[in-house]
Amino acid sequence: AQSVAQPEDQVNVAEGNPLTVKCTYSVSGNPYLFWYVQYPNRGLQFLLKYITGDNLVKGSYGFEAEFNKSQTSFHLKKPSALVSDSALYFCAVRPFGGGYNKLIFGAGTRLAVHP
Amino acid sequence: DVKVTQSSRYLVKRTGEKVFLECVQDMDHENMFWYRQDPGLGLRLIYFSYDVKMKEKGDIPEGYSVSREKKERFSLILESASTNQTSMYLCASREQGPNTEAFFGQGTRLTVV
Repeated sequence: AQSVAQPEDQVNVAEGNPLTVKCTYSVSGNPYLFWYVQYPNRGLQFLLKYITGDNLVKGSYGFEAEFNKSQTSFHLKKPSALVSDSALYFCAVRPFGGGYNKLIFGAGTRLAVHP
Repeated sequence: DVKVTQSSRYLVKRTGEKVFLECVQDMDHENMFWYRQDPGLGLRLIYFSYDVKMKEKGDIPEGYSVSREKKERFSLILESASTNQTSMYLCASREQGPNTEAFFGQGTRLTVV
């Protein structure tokens, strides 16, 4: 079965420290990969996506993500965390090929950045 | 900026009521989606539509139906609301193509009592 795993329910980071939010996937073929962020009582906002090419993708608000095909991972990173980065983060995968409308989401990881 | 607007932020309905959740997008996107968000489960696709009057079931369509009479509007209908449909409902739209990102509305938190 195709799936996305975000192994950590919550990640705690001190402001100014680097952060990583983990994502691994299991889909057939070469997937399209996305990260979204959700602030309290809001919908999801697009952060970045990997389609093809350079394995390091840069996105909004200083976030970046690294695609690793051999480990089937797409971890979200930021060199220096801000308190305002505290939110719920979702990794999502769209399998390549038939049924491309389907976007499979992970369960989400809550990021808490402490002053 | 793409705007996806859901008609209500919060709704409280009684068991057995027929409930309509409305979603409008202003970017002429072909594809529209309804998701349900529950803690620990992420987002689960209820229905999606790739054109006017066209719809396809997602992963959890039971107890729901949808309507898309105009390109910009996609409605989710709970025919007879039940307490297990208490959840956050998110509408999204995106352009045609496999690598385009989705744009989400602000969500409707529905409570069925």
